[in-house]
Amino acid sequence: EVQLLESGGGLVQPGGSLRLSCAASGFTFSDFAMSWVRQAPGKGLEWVSGIGGRGGSAYYADSVKGRFTVSRDISRNTLYLQMNNLRGEDTAIYSCARGVHYSSNLFDFWGPGTLVTVSS
Amino acid sequence: EIVMTQSPATLSVSPGERATLSCRASQSVSSNLAWYQQKPGQAPRLLIYGASTRATGIPARFSGSGSGTDFTLTISSLQSEDFAVYYCQQYYRWPLCSFGQGTKLEIK
Repeated sequence: EVQLLESGGGLVQPGGSLRLSCAASGFTFSDFAMSWVRQAPGKGLEWVSGIGGRGGSAYYADSVKGRFTVSRDISRNTLYLQMNNLRGEDTAIYSCARGVHYSSNLFDFWGPGTLVTVSS
Repeated sequence: EIVMTQSPATLSVSPGERATLSCRASQSVSSNLAWYQQKPGQAPRLLIYGASTRATGIPARFSGSGSGTDFTLTISSLQSEDFAVYYCQQYYRWPLCSFGQGTKLEIK
């Protein structure tokens, strides 16, 4: 059974940093593209960042480029999102999602998400 | 950037009736269009991909149609568990993707 579970969210001041983790199980983690998608309170879905499977590259939405870094640890089956220079508009629930293959942003499994609140 | 626009923002329908949700892309996405259902406090659930293919385990009352820029999600006979927010997503060109703003389907 495919499972994704995020952790690492919390309250952080503007300009601060946070690292999110997404623990994956039930599938060959290295074979699939993985993404972070966020949802601000009462708002819709926004793709934030992704990384290809099979050693693929990392990609970012313009809104986070230069501030966020996505990475994966194959040995730990874990996806990460390092978030620096956080802003109020980054406040959201952050979910990891699995692409259906190594270079797809069609998402077949999602985690429940972790809440990031940026506020002083 | 491909902008996805969903209509209406809110749709009120009685149980047992048909619901029709629309999604329009700012440029052609061919058939690279998915629909997701999200209930409060839950992760999105993939319903339809390739504009018209139901995902595993999705009931036949859900159907999708369209190609290019105009797409429709139809729920033929609404059940109580279908009242939720529905998002369309284009995944036309890896790695970029974008979502519509959502349609809230509520009980009339």
